[in-house]
Amino acid sequence: DSGVTQTPKHLITATGQRVTLRCSPRSGDLSVYWYQQSLDQGLQFLIQYYNGEERAKGNILERFSAQQFPDLHSELNLSSLELGDSALYFCASWGGTVPNYGYTFGSGTRLTVV
Amino acid sequence: AQSVTQLGSHVSVSEGALVLLRCNYSSSVPPYLFWYVQYPNQGLQLLLKYTTGATLVKGINGFEAEFKKSETSFHLTKPSAHMSDAAEYFCAVPYSGAGSYQLTFGKGTKLSVIP
Repeated sequence: DSGVTQTPKHLITATGQRVTLRCSPRSGDLSVYWYQQSLDQGLQFLIQYYNGEERAKGNILERFSAQQFPDLHSELNLSSLELGDSALYFCASWGGTVPNYGYTFGSGTRLTVV
Repeated sequence: AQSVTQLGSHVSVSEGALVLLRCNYSSSVPPYLFWYVQYPNQGLQLLLKYTTGATLVKGINGFEAEFKKSETSFHLTKPSAHMSDAAEYFCAVPYSGAGSYQLTFGKGTKLSVIP
């Protein structure tokens, strides 16, 4: 157990629908990162939150949004889903502002859009 | 922005053989370099990291990597492959800007171990 919890582990939904993925970071970690992993694009950074505030955006579609709550858990909202959104979505947390020990990843949510 | 290139999307080795997974970075001064491993149906796990100091870095499960500035490389090696090493391996480098640190990952190399 890495200490980063992601739910649900699997999600199957239809095109056009909206889903919410949840992430609880490792205890004490203030930063949460969301990544999308697909066969064709590899690991793509989506968005980062630090202590409740958006800190950086990557290749995140406008149909996607995220937030981090006061208890530091984060949610990634995906709407108007398309077949191409099928992927593994990972959350990672990072404890400090000095990147000398890397991320701690959750086990991911596998999203299948049918 | 810094980036990493992993040569070979798929590497196959026999059990007991040397494992060599290649990673080259683009930057004149890499502050940190990482290798992550992803086992089937799991998240990514930190294998090892280079920060400063010793250029030969030892990680978990018998893996090590050597930072070679002259070659801008950070190749991952293991002297003797084991069946349990079959996984996908990612090289990564941090990108920092505007108070944010992100990891940029290579495309990954899938390692198969043949009995």
